[in-house]
Amino acid sequence: QSALTQPASVSGSPGQSITISCTGTSSDVGNYKYVSWYQQHPGKAPKLMIYDVTNRPSGVSDRFSGSKSGNTASLTISGLQAEDEGDYYCCSYTTSSTRVFGGGTKLTVL
Amino acid sequence: QVQLQESGPGLVKPSETLSLTCAVSGYSISSGSQWGWVRQPPGKGLEYIGSIYRSGSTYNNPSLKSRVTISVDTSKNQFSLKLTSVTAADTAVYYCARLVTVATDYFDYWGQGTLVTVSS
Repeated sequence: QSALTQPASVSGSPGQSITISCTGTSSDVGNYKYVSWYQQHPGKAPKLMIYDVTNRPSGVSDRFSGSKSGNTASLTISGLQAEDEGDYYCCSYTTSSTRVFGGGTKLTVL
Repeated sequence: QVQLQESGPGLVKPSETLSLTCAVSGYSISSGSQWGWVRQPPGKGLEYIGSIYRSGSTYNNPSLKSRVTISVDTSKNQFSLKLTSVTAADTAVYYCARLVTVATDYFDYWGQGTLVTVSS
């Protein structure tokens, strides 16, 4: 299975909004609502930020939101803060009953 | 609070078998959920290795399928990963995680990760 496609990097200034895309196929992103997003800081384990395309776990800021259209899911972070800097990964359930991650996007807060 | 802790050798020789165990505390594996393994080569992205139900049913990444064995020991509340015929490309930080799958699908609790280096 091929990794989902994410931009390698995105950047934004504090207070701005950014969006990270995650493109898959009809065998994964396009076929299920089971897309999740993870934030990872250097040397740390990934942290769940969004699940089922749009849902936020308890404790995750409402500045994080998710959406999906066709084979592409998106993560939007509004009101950027310095602490948002890090790597972000999308993940989707697949028709093979497995999971596939995106290649990851490095977010830089300018 | 659910906690996961990986353990195993940090160095494995090429062609040998990588073996890791994930000890779970704060939650009984027998209660449900899937339990999965994810790896991350140095400087690279996350890769799903596979996952297992308490029943023993497994779901593995097709690209690794023939080399991966995931098992569960409910009596010890832990699950394990074996990866055979390793090469330098298998050098990575290996994470274990809980995979919630009832009408949903996401990893919610993760171990801290353990670096496994494949080298002679």
